[in-house]
Amino acid sequence: AQSVTQLDSQVPVFEEAPVELRCNYSSSVSVYLFWYVQYPNQGLQLLLKYLSGSTLVKGINGFEAEFNKSQTSFHLRKPSVHISDTAEYFCAVSVGSGGYNKLIFGAGTRLAVHP
Amino acid sequence: SQTIHQWPATLVQPVGSPLSLECTVEGTSNPNLYWYRQAAGRGLQLLFYSVGIGQISSEVPQNLSASRPQDRQFILSSKKLLLSDSGFYLCARGQGYEQYFGPGTRLTVT
Repeated sequence: AQSVTQLDSQVPVFEEAPVELRCNYSSSVSVYLFWYVQYPNQGLQLLLKYLSGSTLVKGINGFEAEFNKSQTSFHLRKPSVHISDTAEYFCAVSVGSGGYNKLIFGAGTRLAVHP
Repeated sequence: SQTIHQWPATLVQPVGSPLSLECTVEGTSNPNLYWYRQAAGRGLQLLFYSVGIGQISSEVPQNLSASRPQDRQFILSSKKLLLSDSGFYLCARGQGYEQYFGPGTRLTVT
């Protein structure tokens, strides 16, 4: 069965520092990967996605992620974070079954950016 | 543009009372629709999905049910709420391999 593991439940970082949020997946079929961000009391917003092609994917708000098939990873990075990046981040893998696609989510990583 | 509305935004209900949460989608027809629950300190759990009117599939056995009376309307219900039903409920629509989420409903069962 497919699964997603986010290796850090919380990541504290200072403003303007780089950050990496780690995600590993297990899947025996074609992989479609996503990162979502959730601000307090809001829905999830799609940050970026990997469907095929270049393994380096750029998303909104200056985030990027790299798909590494050999390491089954899809880590999220940002070279310089802002206070406004404080939020919870979810990694997800899409799996298809019977005419629809289901997202399997990791447990989430809470990013706390400090001044 | 394609927009997802959820109503109400917040809700406080006593144990044993009924529940009805509504999700409506604009700007698309025959979308795949999903209900998720996010309990405090936990990730997202898929509750139900629907590929069309009247077609509902349940992912986990629970105290909740779902219905899709119209193409762009997805309803989450319960006859008697439990304390464990508290959480943040999110509706999503599918588009290809990805999903787009509504603003959510915060349910507190007291």
